[in-house]
Amino acid sequence: AIQMTQSPSSLSASVGDRVTITCRASQGISNDLGWYQQKPGRAPKLLIYAASSLLSGVPSRFSGSGSGTDFTLTISSLQLEDFATYYCLQDYNYPLTFGQGTKVEIK
Amino acid sequence: EVQLVESGGGLVQPGGSLRLSCAASGFTFSNYWMTWVRQAPGKGLEWVAHMKEDGTDKYYVDSVEGRFTISRDNAKNSLSLQMNSLRAEDTAIYYCARDLGYCSGGRCYSVFDSWGQGTLVTVSS
Repeated sequence: AIQMTQSPSSLSASVGDRVTITCRASQGISNDLGWYQQKPGRAPKLLIYAASSLLSGVPSRFSGSGSGTDFTLTISSLQLEDFATYYCLQDYNYPLTFGQGTKVEIK
Repeated sequence: EVQLVESGGGLVQPGGSLRLSCAASGFTFSNYWMTWVRQAPGKGLEWVAHMKEDGTDKYYVDSVEGRFTISRDNAKNSLSLQMNSLRAEDTAIYYCARDLGYCSGGRCYSVFDSWGQGTLVTVSS
């Protein structure tokens, strides 16, 4: 199975900060990667698919990049509603695998 | 509006069985792959199973292969997960999700764009 490693596992940031989360695949996965946001007690929510495509309705401060083994989720200006846990998911092959998550907390 | 509502969770003893259901509405269910994802208490997300629109293709994470069966009834807009030989490590919230199935440039991507609220399965004696 392809292993997805996210870093950092957690970070503290302030409103307005630029935040970058990385996800590394144990083998090349082309651009078969999505990013999901989850708030406590809620279902995950899709933000980005195919590494860099923003789902309709998701704020443009979210962006994704990368291909092959290294991927990045960037929040250009952190808002209060962005404090959550973020997961990457590879859909290159089965079994689909998530990263372990990155918790974004208020500084 | 797309809606997915899971049901069937509960407390079950190790070795027991449980059947989860996911009722879909607001979209043409038979046009979409569907998936199950779980989350153990305080842990991250784990993909569990994935099923093609017509039910001909199914995929599972290794840890549930042979114990869990994903199925669907397109006439009833319903997805199911039959879970047998349950173990303590199967304790989790189980979510069903729709796969938007985005395709571009000859490639297709699994895009889980709509999720249910989840149903809790607890395996304990």
